[in-house]
Amino acid sequence: DAGITQSPRHKVTETGTPVTLRCHQTENHRYMYWYRQDPGHGLRLIHYSYGVKDTDKGEVSDGYSVSRSKTEDFLLTLESATSSQTSVYFCAILRSSYEQYFGPGTRLTVT
Amino acid sequence: AQSVTQPDIHITVSEGASLELRCNYSYGATPYLFWYVQSPGQGLQLLLKYFSGDTLVQGIKGFEAEFKRSQSSFNLRKPSVHWSDAAEYFCAVGDNTNAGKSTFGDGTTLTVKP
Repeated sequence: DAGITQSPRHKVTETGTPVTLRCHQTENHRYMYWYRQDPGHGLRLIHYSYGVKDTDKGEVSDGYSVSRSKTEDFLLTLESATSSQTSVYFCAILRSSYEQYFGPGTRLTVT
Repeated sequence: AQSVTQPDIHITVSEGASLELRCNYSYGATPYLFWYVQSPGQGLQLLLKYFSGDTLVQGIKGFEAEFKRSQSSFNLRKPSVHWSDAAEYFCAVGDNTNAGKSTFGDGTTLTVKP
């Protein structure tokens, strides 16, 4: 089974501070994704990656940046956190069968 | 652009009763369709998927779903609900031509009455 971990699992930060969330996979899946989940909105795609150093925007990318310097790691950065970015963040990888496999999530609170 | 609609925000059923959760999608070609389940505080778990072929697909935990192209629907069913099925359910459509990106519905919360 594909291993996918996220760190930290919980974080509280203040408005205006930078925050980086990490997604780590233990297998060489090419595609990785970052979603945010908010009540009543399901999951919305923030950014995705189709290989090392290859990334693109999703539907809610404003205020977020990503980096992928190694196949196994996909980082999500909030350059200057705002209260509207309080959410649960999920990372996912794409298996060869086109199904997405999700990490356990990171609960971020911006005060 | 692809989209998914789950018309029911919240459904309550009695334990042992049958269940049907609705999902309608919009997609230009033959869709890849998925149902996920999320228990409180947990990540998403894949219940079942449809890519092609038989329009009735079986999944884990006794769930099944039927793809109806004419109705653009992919409804999830279970003949007899268990208390442990209480969770949030998400339908998703996958874009097999664009980096496998998925679009999710807003979810349906299932409550099971004893």
